[in-house]
Amino acid sequence: AQTVTQSQPEMSVQEAETVTLSCTYDTSESDYYLFWYKQPPSRQMILVIRQEAYKQQNATENRFSVNFQKAAKSFSLKISDSQLGDAAMYFCAFRGTSGTYKYIFGTGTRLKVLA
Amino acid sequence: EAGVTQFPSHSVIEKGQTVTLRCDPISGHDNLYWYRRVMGKEIKFLLHFVKESKQDESGMPNNRFLAERTGGTYSTLKVQPAELEDSGVYFCASSQKRSSGRRRNEQFFGPGTRLTVL
Repeated sequence: AQTVTQSQPEMSVQEAETVTLSCTYDTSESDYYLFWYKQPPSRQMILVIRQEAYKQQNATENRFSVNFQKAAKSFSLKISDSQLGDAAMYFCAFRGTSGTYKYIFGTGTRLKVLA
Repeated sequence: EAGVTQFPSHSVIEKGQTVTLRCDPISGHDNLYWYRRVMGKEIKFLLHFVKESKQDESGMPNNRFLAERTGGTYSTLKVQPAELEDSGVYFCASSQKRSSGRRRNEQFFGPGTRLTVL
């Protein structure tokens, strides 16, 4: 069975600085997707970034980028130039490419951005 | 285009009562998922509908939980009778119909319903 682990319950970053959130996963599949979702205090969960396992290139979306290490089963999220609006709960998620396409989530990391 | 909506946003009930949560997926999305996050834990899959059919309900905790999706549109999740351990945030997500060659099937999440059982 797949598992996703986020070992940092809470992180803090100074505004304009860079922070990295960790995520590791376990799977026997070779093809899958990984996601980072953000849930601000308003609670609507939104997709930050996705990575397709068959792509070697790390995904980037503006200030958000990932470090995808397939062999190590690691998928960290880097937020550059942190802004106050980045404060939220961040969830790492795994999705296979067969079956129901259900997501397997980690426990989340609460990110605080300090002014 | 409207996103996934859930009602109510917050529900407080006493142990033994019944609660029904509703999810309206994005129009045209065949796939509908229910997830739950218990305080401090991971978000866990409960079940998956394809249109009105239950595709996978392996995550449903017990028979006190009943999910339906009338006509393949909105879905309800009923908890009867509610227990203290049912407290948490219930998320609904929807995604488009699977088609050959498309592998993304990104799920769009609703804001969740926070259920508190006293």
